Amino acid sequence: AQSVTQLGSHVSVSEGALVLLRCNYSSSVPPYLFWYVQYPNQGLQLLLKYTTGATLVKGINGFEAEFKKSETSFHLTKPSAHMSDAAEYFCAVSENSGNTPLVFGKGTRLSVIA
Amino acid sequence: NAGVMQNPRHLVRRRGQEARLRCSPMKGHSHVYWYRQLPEEGLKFMVYLQKENIIDESGMPKERFSAEFPKEGPSILRIQQVVRGDSAAYFCASSPPERTSGYNEQFFGPGTRLTVL
Repeated sequence: AQSVTQLGSHVSVSEGALVLLRCNYSSSVPPYLFWYVQYPNQGLQLLLKYTTGATLVKGINGFEAEFKKSETSFHLTKPSAHMSDAAEYFCAVSENSGNTPLVFGKGTRLSVIA
Repeated sequence: NAGVMQNPRHLVRRRGQEARLRCSPMKGHSHVYWYRQLPEEGLKFMVYLQKENIIDESGMPKERFSAEFPKEGPSILRIQQVVRGDSAAYFCASSPPERTSGYNEQFFGPGTRLTVL
């Protein structure tokens, strides 16, 4: 069975500061890994994904994440936070195959302070 | 190209009533997933359907919940005799037909927020 743990249900950073959202996963098969962002009362938007190949993946809005198999981690980072980054962020894992359900973490709410 | 559409966006029901949630996948997509988001929780998988077939319903509650994806028309998630604990946001995602390899991205709709009074 797969699972995702997101450390910190709420993270607060100053505008311009580094954003680091932590995600650890558990999977018995090679995983696909994802970060989604959810703005209030909206659906989920894919930020980035790791499937195969390069372990450092770049996404939209300046976000990136690194797949570290030895640490079973897929932390999300952004060098400089912007006010518009305030949202809920979800890490998710799925099996390494075509159409399988996603297993989500509980989410991390990011607040950006001016 | 329209995205995944869900309606209604907000639904209020009294205990014991039925709730019907609709999901129209993106054009060309033949796979639909339903997820539920309880307050302060992540999304939990409920059911995965292809046209006229339920592929995986391991996340569906055993009673009162059902889903379908007919040959024509939207996918429907039906909740009978709703209870307060059913209050949640229900998200639908769709993906294209099976590929021989690689990942088929799931595209999410805006969700239906169900409130049970």
